[in-house]
Amino acid sequence: GAVVSQHPSWVICKSGTSVKIECRSLDFQATTMFWYRQFPKQSLMLMATSNEGSKATYEQGVEKDKFLINHASLTLSTLTVTSAHPEDSSFYICSATRPRDSSTLYEQYFGPGTRLTVT
Amino acid sequence: AQKITQTQPGMFVQEKEAVTLDCTYDTSDPSYGLFWYKQPSSGEMIFLIYQGSYDQQNATEGRYSLNFQKARKSANLVISASQLGDSAMYFCAMRLFDRGSTLGRLYFGRGTQLTVWP
Repeated sequence: GAVVSQHPSWVICKSGTSVKIECRSLDFQATTMFWYRQFPKQSLMLMATSNEGSKATYEQGVEKDKFLINHASLTLSTLTVTSAHPEDSSFYICSATRPRDSSTLYEQYFGPGTRLTVT
Repeated sequence: AQKITQTQPGMFVQEKEAVTLDCTYDTSDPSYGLFWYKQPSSGEMIFLIYQGSYDQQNATEGRYSLNFQKARKSANLVISASQLGDSAMYFCAMRLFDRGSTLGRLYFGRGTQLTVWP
């Protein structure tokens, strides 16, 4: 089955520093990748949609300059949390989409998530 | 606006019993898909089952079945013969397939925390 990896799986950083999270599709080329944020006991909140070779589309209320997304290739998207603050502490999950046959049904695969703690 | 509603923040079931997790959705698009995911405490999202809006039969995957009632816009998940390992958060999600919709974008409900007790 298709696999999506995330690195790191957890990270602790100091307030004011930047953290980069990688999302890789290991055995398929992802046409689109999504970045979600999840607070404890809450649902997944879509932050942005990342398409290879183009600028990410951010959801309303998500700061583009704070959460930098780069989709450099069909297998890699990165999320950089710039000038992190304690309120950025959260669980960040990526997902990748690949075409399934020639239909319009696109399979989506989730990464294992990255737990960010900002001290 | 698309919306997924899960009205049960928590559910309890005894081992080996069946349990139904509720999910209703709201969309005016005719082409959509409904998903259920399981999220254990480790955080990974595990795909359980999928139902397409044009599918005539309810989806089944092992102990999981989806009670799809299109007219009521509900897509309840039924877990039969619950196991202790089923204890987790369960999310209902919807994807639209019409042109103009972001390919692959999922709309999630708030989730239901299922606890299976011996």
